[in-house]
Amino acid sequence: SQQGEEDPQALSIQEGENATMNCSYKTSINNLQWYRQNSGRGLVHLILIRSNEREKHSGRLRVTLDTSKKSSSLLITASRAADTASYFCATATDYKLSFGAGTTVTVRA
Amino acid sequence: EAEVAQSPRYKITEKSQAVAFWCDPISGHATLYWYRQILGQGPELLVQFQDESVVDDSQLPKDRFSAERLKGVDSTLKIQPAELGDSAMYLCASRASGRAIEQYFGPGTRLTVT
Repeated sequence: SQQGEEDPQALSIQEGENATMNCSYKTSINNLQWYRQNSGRGLVHLILIRSNEREKHSGRLRVTLDTSKKSSSLLITASRAADTASYFCATATDYKLSFGAGTTVTVRA
Repeated sequence: EAEVAQSPRYKITEKSQAVAFWCDPISGHATLYWYRQILGQGPELLVQFQDESVVDDSQLPKDRFSAERLKGVDSTLKIQPAELGDSAMYLCASRASGRAIEQYFGPGTRLTVT
């Protein structure tokens, strides 16, 4: 069974706009990770936020974590066509990942 | 840059046939994971190895699925017999030992059962 749920399921934006997606989860976690998957490919690790952190940045990515609400958000700023992909949150407990169903992001040129 | 290798990339098989997937993790990575990803869903863990030992196979359908990592390096996942519902992407990932957190994923094997 899947631990997390992403919202929205799909997102279409214009190049240059920001994209925000949310993740909710059910149980206690050690950390939460975000992955990207280009169509038909493997997953690429984007960013990790630990349970005692509230916000983290990496390049054009910003992740927040609210453990009291069991939720996280991923913001991609100044989107590019190459950001078109599916994005998954994954909660980690004891080095095991439990993924959500993902948000499919389409960036229009 | 070291990568996780998987083969084949694509496999089409008829139901009731046997099928096998192979994974070669990043050199030195002690932990290896097999995931199944049904179209439109996120990956689900099937089995986790620490070196050659199975750590968690609670989600592996053991009546038809088997996995091994005999020498603690590469791994094979087998399905026998395959069913239509097994059509999915099968992903392998590896993680270094100790407190390393990040998992590195291979490109996956896309299985279609007809």
